[in-house]
Amino acid sequence: EAGVAQSPRYKIIEKRQSVAFWCNPISGHATLYWYQQILGQGPKLLIQFQNNGVVDDSQLPKDRFSAERLKGVDSTLKIQPAKLEDSAVYLCASSLRVGVNSPLHFGNGTRLTVT
Amino acid sequence: AQTVTQSQPEMSVQEAETVTLSCTYDTSESDYYLFWYKQPPSRQMILVIRQEAYKQQNATENRFSVNFQKAAKSFSLKISDSQLGDAAMYFCAYRRGQGGSEKLVFGKGTKLTVNP
Repeated sequence: EAGVAQSPRYKIIEKRQSVAFWCNPISGHATLYWYQQILGQGPKLLIQFQNNGVVDDSQLPKDRFSAERLKGVDSTLKIQPAKLEDSAVYLCASSLRVGVNSPLHFGNGTRLTVT
Repeated sequence: AQTVTQSQPEMSVQEAETVTLSCTYDTSESDYYLFWYKQPPSRQMILVIRQEAYKQQNATENRFSVNFQKAAKSFSLKISDSQLGDAAMYFCAYRRGQGGSEKLVFGKGTKLTVNP
């Protein structure tokens, strides 16, 4: 099966600019996650979708970050305006369904550099 | 809040030798799961092994095994017969049990170098 696809692979922007990341989960996977991984740290969950509904966005900085999952398939994560501290790798993951017995499959991430 | 601590920022091992990576966690819950993930330079997080807290038996997956000490809240990963392909960042992660948050809480990682 094809894995989780993310684009772009790298992005460099200046602070206060906007940026968007795209994720295409594994076909049939109902649950989609966005994680932020700052250099030297483990990933931190930003948002979880179940189909096209939000399950958990408690750690999403909603003043500048937004995410959507139209039609319960692809997802986009947007940052507007970006800050220097948003420099990180943004990882998308999907699982067949909710629950710990449905393992997460991660994409290769997008590395964002904000200058 | 749950926390996961990996006290070894870097470790190295000789090819074919055995290495142990440490992880401790803090939680007040009794139902939870623990994981070890591998992250090579490709950045993709790959599940190595998982342990259910209610199981006393330590999980094993081929050359990978864990030492799960529930009372001490310790969850170490042992890699036997280390191979060059094992070189990567390794992250310990915690998840609440069934019905809890889906969120994985990760440690800061340990960079493993395998020397030929």
